[in-house]
Amino acid sequence: DGGITQSPKYLFRKEGQNVTLSCEQNLNHDAMYWYRQDPGQGLRLIYYSQIVNDFQKGDIAEGYSVSREKKESFPLTVTSAQKNPTAFYLCASSEAGTAYEQYFGPGTRLTVT
Amino acid sequence: QKEVEQNSGPLSVPEGAIASLNCTYSDRVSQSFFWYRQYSGKSPELIMSIYSNGDKEDGRFTAQLNKASQYVSLLIRDSQPSDSATYLCAVDNFNKFYFGSGTKLNVKP
Repeated sequence: DGGITQSPKYLFRKEGQNVTLSCEQNLNHDAMYWYRQDPGQGLRLIYYSQIVNDFQKGDIAEGYSVSREKKESFPLTVTSAQKNPTAFYLCASSEAGTAYEQYFGPGTRLTVT
Repeated sequence: QKEVEQNSGPLSVPEGAIASLNCTYSDRVSQSFFWYRQYSGKSPELIMSIYSNGDKEDGRFTAQLNKASQYVSLLIRDSQPSDSATYLCAVDNFNKFYFGSGTKLNVKP
């Protein structure tokens, strides 16, 4: 089955720790995205990548980092510099270019205390 | 000014009625528009995309686009309780999607 997987589903961390969220896709999509969703709000773009070994900052990149070493994988690291890391994190992928639909993984709910 | 605006709701409709969800966007150069459905605690799932002015129908769903008015809407005919969810409008602006905060729809049996 083609799709996007994110792991883990729930993640708990102590304040001050870095944490890496996994995102893998087997849809053969070139583009991948990371979003953050807070309760009652829409999705906000953190980082996106149109091609391997290249990525761009979204609207709220501060405190986050990414890598894109393989087409299928786009992990997101939430660093200790992120002031409010507790949120629902969503990974998406699409064909590269404009106008292509984005498909989402199941999400990771991160809680930092 | 937000890129994409939606009424947060909740919008309550009786089972079998038509639900009408609306979205406005600020950037006139936007060319691609999408509707996603998100159940509580789950990730968004794509319902429809629309790229040109007019209506696009898919089953019980109809998307409507008016670029001159910068307005996108989603009509759900014969609404079912299983349609109860939050509906997100998304606008593609040069490979970056901007999402509205969503409209919560409640379909009452």
